[in-house]
Amino acid sequence: KQEVTQIPAALSVPEGENLVLNCSFTDSAIYNLQWFRQDPGKGLTSLLLIQSSQREQTSGRLNASLDKSSGRSTLYIAASQPGDSATYLCAVRPNYGQNFVFGPGTRLSVLP
Amino acid sequence: DAGVTQSPTHLIKTRGQQVTLRCSPKSGHDTVSWYQQALGQGPQFIFQYYEEEERQRGNFPDRFSGHQFPNYSSELNVNALLLGDSALYLCASSSTGVNGGYTFGSGTRLTVV
Repeated sequence: KQEVTQIPAALSVPEGENLVLNCSFTDSAIYNLQWFRQDPGKGLTSLLLIQSSQREQTSGRLNASLDKSSGRSTLYIAASQPGDSATYLCAVRPNYGQNFVFGPGTRLSVLP
Repeated sequence: DAGVTQSPTHLIKTRGQQVTLRCSPKSGHDTVSWYQQALGQGPQFIFQYYEEEERQRGNFPDRFSGHQFPNYSSELNVNALLLGDSALYLCASSSTGVNGGYTFGSGTRLTVV
Protein backbone atom coordinates (compact mmCIF):
# COMPACT_ATOMS: atom_id res chain seq x y z
CA LYS A 1 0.00 0.00 0.00
CA GLN A 2 1.43 3.36 -1.06
CA GLU A 3 2.00 5.85 1.76
CA VAL A 4 3.09 9.46 1.36
CA THR A 5 4.77 11.62 3.99
CA GLN A 6 5.83 15.24 3.91
CA ILE A 7 8.50 17.01 5.89
CA PRO A 8 8.38 19.47 7.52
CA ALA A 9 4.78 19.65 8.68
CA ALA A 10 5.08 23.43 9.02
CA LEU A 11 7.62 26.01 7.95
CA SER A 12 7.98 29.72 8.62
CA VAL A 13 10.52 31.76 6.66
CA PRO A 14 11.25 35.45 5.99
CA GLU A 15 10.37 36.85 2.60
CA GLY A 16 13.01 36.33 -0.09
CA GLU A 17 14.34 33.00 1.13
CA ASN A 18 14.72 29.98 -1.12
CA LEU A 19 13.12 26.90 0.40
CA VAL A 20 12.65 23.18 -0.16
CA LEU A 21 9.64 21.06 0.71
CA ASN A 22 10.08 17.31 0.90
CA CYS A 23 7.81 14.43 -0.08
CA SER A 24 8.53 10.73 0.44
CA PHE A 25 6.61 7.72 -0.82
CA THR A 26 6.99 4.07 0.10
CA ASP A 27 6.54 2.35 -3.28
CA SER A 28 8.83 3.56 -6.06
CA ALA A 29 6.61 2.09 -8.80
CA ILE A 30 4.54 5.18 -9.55
CA TYR A 31 2.72 6.54 -12.60
CA ASN A 32 3.15 10.21 -11.78
CA LEU A 33 3.39 12.73 -8.94
CA GLN A 34 1.58 16.05 -8.59
CA TRP A 35 2.21 19.00 -6.30
CA PHE A 36 -0.74 21.11 -5.20
CA ARG A 37 -1.26 24.31 -3.28
CA GLN A 38 -4.19 24.78 -0.92
CA ASP A 39 -5.22 28.07 0.66
CA PRO A 40 -7.14 27.84 3.96
CA GLY A 41 -10.61 26.37 3.47
CA LYS A 42 -10.19 26.28 -0.29
CA GLY A 43 -9.74 23.67 -2.99
CA LEU A 44 -6.48 22.45 -4.51
CA THR A 45 -4.55 24.30 -7.19
CA SER A 46 -2.23 22.18 -9.31
CA LEU A 47 1.36 23.45 -9.35
CA LEU A 48 3.42 20.84 -11.15
CA LEU A 49 2.86 17.34 -12.55
CA ILE A 50 5.83 15.02 -13.01
CA GLN A 51 5.47 11.83 -15.03
CA SER A 52 7.37 8.76 -13.86
CA SER A 53 9.79 9.09 -16.78
CA GLN A 54 10.67 12.69 -15.90
CA ARG A 55 13.24 13.97 -13.40
CA GLU A 56 11.90 17.48 -12.88
CA GLN A 57 9.38 20.12 -13.89
CA THR A 58 9.63 23.90 -13.64
CA SER A 59 7.06 26.66 -13.55
CA GLY A 60 8.19 30.19 -12.76
CA ARG A 61 9.77 30.24 -9.31
CA LEU A 62 8.80 26.60 -8.67
CA ASN A 63 10.85 23.53 -9.48
CA ALA A 64 9.86 19.98 -8.59
CA SER A 65 12.19 17.02 -8.82
CA LEU A 66 11.47 13.32 -8.73
CA ASP A 67 13.75 10.48 -7.68
CA LYS A 68 11.71 7.30 -8.00
CA SER A 69 14.48 4.96 -6.87
CA SER A 70 14.70 6.68 -3.51
CA GLY A 71 10.98 7.41 -3.27
CA ARG A 72 11.43 11.16 -2.98
CA SER A 73 10.28 14.39 -4.54
CA THR A 74 11.21 17.94 -3.61
CA LEU A 75 9.47 21.21 -4.36
CA TYR A 76 11.87 24.14 -4.56
CA ILE A 77 10.45 27.66 -4.20
CA ALA A 78 12.81 30.48 -5.14
CA ALA A 79 12.65 33.97 -3.69
CA SER A 80 9.63 33.25 -1.50
CA GLN A 81 6.87 35.88 -1.17
CA PRO A 82 4.10 36.36 1.43
CA GLY A 83 1.63 35.30 -1.27
CA ASP A 84 3.27 31.86 -1.27
CA SER A 85 1.84 31.23 2.21
CA ALA A 86 -0.39 28.16 1.93
CA THR A 87 -0.39 24.41 2.48
CA TYR A 88 1.54 22.43 -0.12
CA LEU A 89 0.37 18.89 -0.82
CA CYS A 90 2.23 16.12 -2.60
CA ALA A 91 0.17 13.38 -4.28
CA VAL A 92 1.38 10.15 -5.86
CA ARG A 93 -0.51 8.10 -8.43
CA PRO A 94 0.54 4.46 -7.99
CA ASN A 95 -0.41 3.47 -11.54
CA TYR A 96 -2.68 4.71 -14.31
CA GLY A 97 -5.66 2.78 -13.02
CA GLN A 98 -5.44 4.10 -9.50
CA ASN A 99 -6.17 7.39 -7.82
CA PHE A 100 -3.79 9.80 -6.16
CA VAL A 101 -2.56 9.13 -2.65
CA PHE A 102 -1.95 12.37 -0.78
CA GLY A 103 0.55 13.34 1.86
CA PRO A 104 -0.57 15.37 4.90
CA GLY A 105 0.89 18.60 3.53
CA THR A 106 3.42 21.22 4.59
CA ARG A 107 1.97 24.47 5.95
CA LEU A 108 4.16 27.34 4.74
CA SER A 109 4.18 30.86 6.17
CA VAL A 110 6.29 33.51 4.45
CA LEU A 111 6.74 36.54 6.67
CA PRO A 112 7.01 40.05 5.18
CA ASP B 1 -12.68 27.66 -19.95
CA ALA B 2 -14.58 26.81 -16.78
CA GLY B 3 -12.75 24.67 -14.30
CA VAL B 4 -14.34 22.23 -11.89
CA THR B 5 -17.39 23.67 -10.16
CA GLN B 6 -18.89 22.32 -6.96
CA SER B 7 -22.12 23.14 -5.17
CA PRO B 8 -23.03 24.09 -2.59
CA THR B 9 -19.95 25.75 -1.09
CA HIS B 10 -21.09 25.28 2.49
CA LEU B 11 -23.67 23.02 4.10
CA ILE B 12 -24.84 22.34 7.64
CA LYS B 13 -26.74 19.11 8.33
CA THR B 14 -28.02 17.31 11.38
CA ARG B 15 -26.72 13.90 12.40
CA GLY B 16 -28.76 11.14 10.71
CA GLN B 17 -29.76 13.25 7.72
CA GLN B 18 -28.79 12.68 4.10
CA VAL B 19 -26.83 15.06 1.87
CA THR B 20 -26.12 15.41 -1.86
CA LEU B 21 -23.10 17.27 -3.21
CA ARG B 22 -22.67 18.17 -6.87
CA CYS B 23 -19.75 18.53 -9.23
CA SER B 24 -19.36 19.68 -12.82
CA PRO B 25 -16.04 18.64 -14.35
CA LYS B 26 -13.70 20.80 -16.38
CA SER B 27 -14.62 21.04 -20.04
CA GLY B 28 -13.14 18.10 -21.95
CA HIS B 29 -12.80 15.89 -18.84
CA ASP B 30 -14.76 12.65 -18.59
CA THR B 31 -13.68 11.23 -15.22
CA VAL B 32 -14.69 12.49 -11.78
CA SER B 33 -13.09 11.56 -8.46
CA TRP B 34 -14.32 12.50 -5.00
CA TYR B 35 -12.11 13.09 -1.97
CA GLN B 36 -12.80 13.79 1.70
CA GLN B 37 -10.43 16.12 3.54
CA ALA B 38 -10.64 16.35 7.31
CA LEU B 39 -9.18 19.41 8.98
CA GLY B 40 -5.39 19.37 8.98
CA GLN B 41 -5.12 16.21 6.87
CA GLY B 42 -4.52 15.35 3.24
CA PRO B 43 -7.49 14.38 1.03
CA GLN B 44 -8.68 10.76 1.21
CA PHE B 45 -10.02 9.07 -1.93
CA ILE B 46 -13.72 8.13 -1.81
CA PHE B 47 -14.52 6.88 -5.32
CA GLN B 48 -14.14 7.60 -9.03
CA TYR B 49 -16.72 7.64 -11.82
CA TYR B 50 -16.17 7.06 -15.50
CA GLU B 51 -18.76 6.33 -18.18
CA GLU B 52 -21.49 6.64 -15.54
CA GLU B 53 -20.07 3.77 -13.49
CA GLU B 54 -18.08 3.60 -10.27
CA ARG B 55 -14.65 2.52 -11.43
CA GLN B 56 -12.70 2.61 -8.16
CA ARG B 57 -13.56 2.94 -4.52
CA GLY B 58 -11.55 3.87 -1.46
CA ASN B 59 -12.06 2.67 2.09
CA PHE B 60 -15.41 4.34 2.74
CA PRO B 61 -18.65 2.71 3.94
CA ASP B 62 -21.68 2.11 1.76
CA ARG B 63 -23.30 5.21 3.26
CA PHE B 64 -21.23 7.03 0.65
CA SER B 65 -22.61 6.60 -2.86
CA GLY B 66 -22.42 8.48 -6.09
CA HIS B 67 -23.63 8.93 -9.59
CA GLN B 68 -22.32 10.25 -12.88
CA PHE B 69 -24.61 11.68 -15.53
CA PRO B 70 -24.27 11.53 -19.32
CA ASN B 71 -22.84 15.08 -19.34
CA TYR B 72 -20.05 13.81 -17.00
CA SER B 73 -21.28 15.77 -13.98
CA SER B 74 -21.43 13.85 -10.73
CA GLU B 75 -23.14 13.67 -7.36
CA LEU B 76 -21.90 12.42 -4.02
CA ASN B 77 -24.56 11.20 -1.60
CA VAL B 78 -24.00 10.50 2.07
CA ASN B 79 -26.71 8.80 4.12
CA ALA B 80 -27.15 8.62 7.89
CA LEU B 81 -24.69 11.43 8.52
CA LEU B 82 -22.28 11.13 11.43
CA LEU B 83 -20.43 13.91 13.21
CA GLY B 84 -17.23 12.45 11.76
CA ASP B 85 -18.46 13.12 8.23
CA SER B 86 -17.78 16.81 8.79
CA ALA B 87 -15.07 17.69 6.27
CA LEU B 88 -14.22 19.46 3.04
CA TYR B 89 -15.41 17.34 0.10
CA LEU B 90 -13.36 17.83 -3.03
CA CYS B 91 -14.21 16.86 -6.57
CA ALA B 92 -11.47 16.34 -9.14
CA SER B 93 -11.83 15.80 -12.86
CA SER B 94 -9.46 14.32 -15.38
CA SER B 95 -9.41 13.09 -18.95
CA THR B 96 -8.82 9.44 -19.71
CA GLY B 97 -5.67 8.86 -21.69
CA VAL B 98 -4.26 12.34 -21.12
CA ASN B 99 -1.19 12.85 -18.93
CA GLY B 100 -3.03 11.84 -15.78
CA GLY B 101 -3.18 15.19 -13.99
CA TYR B 102 -6.20 16.17 -11.92
CA THR B 103 -8.07 19.48 -11.72
CA PHE B 104 -9.77 20.12 -8.40
CA GLY B 105 -12.80 22.20 -7.51
CA SER B 106 -13.02 24.56 -4.55
CA GLY B 107 -14.84 21.99 -2.46
CA THR B 108 -17.97 21.78 -0.34
CA ARG B 109 -17.57 22.34 3.39
CA LEU B 110 -19.97 19.97 5.19
CA THR B 111 -20.65 20.45 8.87
CA VAL B 112 -22.68 17.81 10.71
CA VAL B 113 -24.17 18.95 14.03
